[in-house]
Amino acid sequence: QSVLTQPPSASGTPGQRVTISCSGSNSNIGSNYLYWYQQLPGTAPKLLIYTSNHRPSGVPDRFSGSKSGTSASLAISGLRSEDEADYYCAAWDDSLSSVVFGGGTKLTVL
Amino acid sequence: EMQLVQSGAEVKKPGESLQISCKGSGYSFTIYWIVWVRQMPGKGLEWMGAIYPGDSNTKYSPSFQGQVTISADKSITTAYLQWSSLKASDTAMYYCARGDSSGYYYPRFDPWGQGTLVTVSS
Repeated sequence: QSVLTQPPSASGTPGQRVTISCSGSNSNIGSNYLYWYQQLPGTAPKLLIYTSNHRPSGVPDRFSGSKSGTSASLAISGLRSEDEADYYCAAWDDSLSSVVFGGGTKLTVL
Repeated sequence: EMQLVQSGAEVKKPGESLQISCKGSGYSFTIYWIVWVRQMPGKGLEWMGAIYPGDSNTKYSPSFQGQVTISADKSITTAYLQWSSLKASDTAMYYCARGDSSGYYYPRFDPWGQGTLVTVSS
């Protein structure tokens, strides 16, 4: 099982707002920055959010991240069909001395 | 344009050795960590380890320590992932990505290579 826990699936209709959660512990999310990645079908992952709530240039402001304690979430507003992808959270884990990823959440746009 | 270009797909037999590559361009190769990430078929992402091309300092995930070797040749801005004896369970897509300049403990991976599919089968 993954060190960071994500729901395996999420869904929404076009225009809706959806959130994806990522739960960890004091040794990872509780003491380090959180990052989010988007992996479109058949492609390499892409950085979506860094240091918990910052967007790289080119990422629409429909995507936002937040963190509180040992949990974090990714919010996508104004959902679009091209947002259908797998989403992963990631953080450094002080106890494991390793980067850890969530198991991934498959987002379906209905 | 910053980019990482990986070597092509490989089909190998169990017990064989393999080295795959990741060539960086469009940025200062020596001052950013390069990381390797495994994605087994239908599964999630796993961080394997990282290398600092400036001095070849490496950091491995405990899960991959001793199983693979990460190296780099800064003269040709290329990083490598190597196996000495492949197993069927090594079948996966392997991605390289540019890490942070501040340290391997910041999982800010951008950009990513296109991936190298490794298939190990008898």
